Amino acid sequence: KAGVTQTPRYLIKTRGQQVTLSCSPISGHRSVSWYQQTPGQGLQFLFEYFSETQRNKGNFPGRFSGRQFSNSRSEMNVSTLELGDSALYLCASREPNTGELFFGEGSRLTVL
Amino acid sequence: EDKVVQSPLSLVVHEGDTVTLNCSYEVTNFRSLLWYKQEKKAPTFLFMLTSSGIEKKSGRLSSILDKKELFSILNITATQTGDSAVYLCAVEFWSGGGADGLTFGKGTHLIIQP
Repeated sequence: KAGVTQTPRYLIKTRGQQVTLSCSPISGHRSVSWYQQTPGQGLQFLFEYFSETQRNKGNFPGRFSGRQFSNSRSEMNVSTLELGDSALYLCASREPNTGELFFGEGSRLTVL
Repeated sequence: EDKVVQSPLSLVVHEGDTVTLNCSYEVTNFRSLLWYKQEKKAPTFLFMLTSSGIEKKSGRLSSILDKKELFSILNITATQTGDSAVYLCAVEFWSGGGADGLTFGKGTHLIIQP
């Protein structure tokens, strides 16, 4: 069974640009959540999607958005990038019976 | 504001030692507490704790939750160099529309020296 797949794994952008990250959950998992990980702040919750609906959102500005498709794949978008958006963005899908979260390897974004 | 505090933030021990990592939390509508191990890539699941006083074990690792005092500990016995990692504690809580996302602690960076 394939794990959580995130693409791209690494990317470099410049300030003001936008970026879209993709996450394919484990087959059968309908809940997908996104996290930002930085050395200073640790892991912070961005948002969670279930059945194409955003169920919860963390304390991030409106530049951070996401969506989920009917096949449970999810994308997150960051517009008007700032230097402080440089981070590892992790996606996780939730096992429906146990509630356990399985994380992808992450997308490492560098903003120059 | 909900928060999760881990201690120590970093720890260096020798192979064979026993370590205890701490996690305290303040959240409303607590659902579960989870421990993850993160090496250079994605966090990997260790334990989910929902009930007080029931120890969970997996090999040399064990964890227990105290819902009255709002903390959990993660013990690792007979440590090995492969245990070197960041150990993350996270707390999940209920919201009206389903479970909220997790609130993570900053992690404990554990280094095991040969």
